[in-house]
Amino acid sequence: KQEVTQIPAALSVPEGENLVLNCSFTDSAIYNLQWFRQDPGKGLTSLLLIQSSQREQTSGRLNASLDKSSGRSTLYIAASQPGDSATYLCAVTTQGGSEKLVFGKGTKLTVNP
Amino acid sequence: SQTIHQWPATLVQPVGSPLSLECTVEGTSNPNLYWYRQAAGRGLQLLFYSVGIGQISSEVPQNLSASRPQDRQFILSSKKLLLSDSGFYLCAWFQGPLWAFFGQGTRLTVV
Repeated sequence: KQEVTQIPAALSVPEGENLVLNCSFTDSAIYNLQWFRQDPGKGLTSLLLIQSSQREQTSGRLNASLDKSSGRSTLYIAASQPGDSATYLCAVTTQGGSEKLVFGKGTKLTVNP
Repeated sequence: SQTIHQWPATLVQPVGSPLSLECTVEGTSNPNLYWYRQAAGRGLQLLFYSVGIGQISSEVPQNLSASRPQDRQFILSSKKLLLSDSGFYLCAWFQGPLWAFFGQGTRLTVV
């Protein structure tokens, strides 16, 4: 059974700092990995998607990497801003079954001005 | 463009009352649709998914049921709510096996 773990559960940083969020998964037979952002009381917004054949994806100040063999992904946020404050969720789609996302519990990020 | 609508945004219901949450998708056909629940301090749990009209798969035994009466409509229901049904319910649509799009969620409080 696929399990996704995110560390740390919460992170507080000053504005302008670069930071890394970590995600690990137990079954390396994944189809893809996605990073989502969730604002309080809101739905999820997809930030980046990395297919299993890819190593990284970039969007603006965000960069996500994937090491499928070790079951790890990182989300790098450059020059953090208070508007980046949210919960960041990692999710994987496992191969061989129907399209189902398995989520981690998320990392709650607070960027202090 | 594709959009996903979910309502209501918030709901307070007494124990034992029925429930109906609706999700509709626009701008696509034959989507795979999903219901997730997010409880406080826990991750998102997949409840149901549907690959077509009338086709429902349940991931976990529970007090809830789902139906798909139309191609782009997905409904989450309960005949009698329990306190443990409280949570944040999210509908999602997957574009192929790739991008996942989520609704804005329904905050359900059972009192």
